[in-house]
Amino acid sequence: EDQVTQSPEALRLQEGESSSLNCSYTVSGLRGLFWYRQDPGKGPEFLFTLYSAGEEKEKERLKATLTKKESFLHITAPKPEDSATYLCAVQARTSYDKVIFGPGTSLSVIP
Amino acid sequence: DTAVSQTPKYLVTQMGNDKSIKCEQNLGHDTMYWYKQDSKKFLKIMFSYNNKELIINETVPNRFSPKSPDKAHLNLHINSLELGDSAVYFCASSTNRERNEKLFFGSGTQLSVL
Repeated sequence: EDQVTQSPEALRLQEGESSSLNCSYTVSGLRGLFWYRQDPGKGPEFLFTLYSAGEEKEKERLKATLTKKESFLHITAPKPEDSATYLCAVQARTSYDKVIFGPGTSLSVIP
Repeated sequence: DTAVSQTPKYLVTQMGNDKSIKCEQNLGHDTMYWYKQDSKKFLKIMFSYNNKELIINETVPNRFSPKSPDKAHLNLHINSLELGDSAVYFCASSTNRERNEKLFFGSGTQLSVL
């Protein structure tokens, strides 16, 4: 069964303290892995798509990487405005190409 | 201009009632979705429509009935509401579900069943 897990469930960082969020997945044929950011009271907002192992994408203080079994979202020198829930999702080649989301990591960046 | 808009934002109702949530996208996308996010923030797909045709129905109780009058609209009607239906419901759209296109989400409808 296709599955996505994320760790940690919650993470508190001091402003400027770099860290990484983990997304582990089991899927029968990966079509794409996505990272989204969700702010309270809002819908998820797209950040990155990764397609194959070894691929990396960057946006401001965020960098996403992909291996055959997991993805990492690295946050360099985070700021309070980076506080949000970060969701990982995978799209499988089977299961009608549906997108399956992980439970998310709630990130708090303290000034 | 809001890309994916859903109404209402909040919905509070009694058990047993029937309610609807409306969704519209102005992005020209072919595919629309309904997702349910429970209290633990888990986003789970409910339905997917491609050009008004139902593609995915994820073992959702048949009290939930999606309706797509055209490819820009996907409404969700819920009959005989139960306490367990309380959650945040998100509408989303994408260009083409087969080409790992990113999803654009609405801002959600928080449903509370009392």
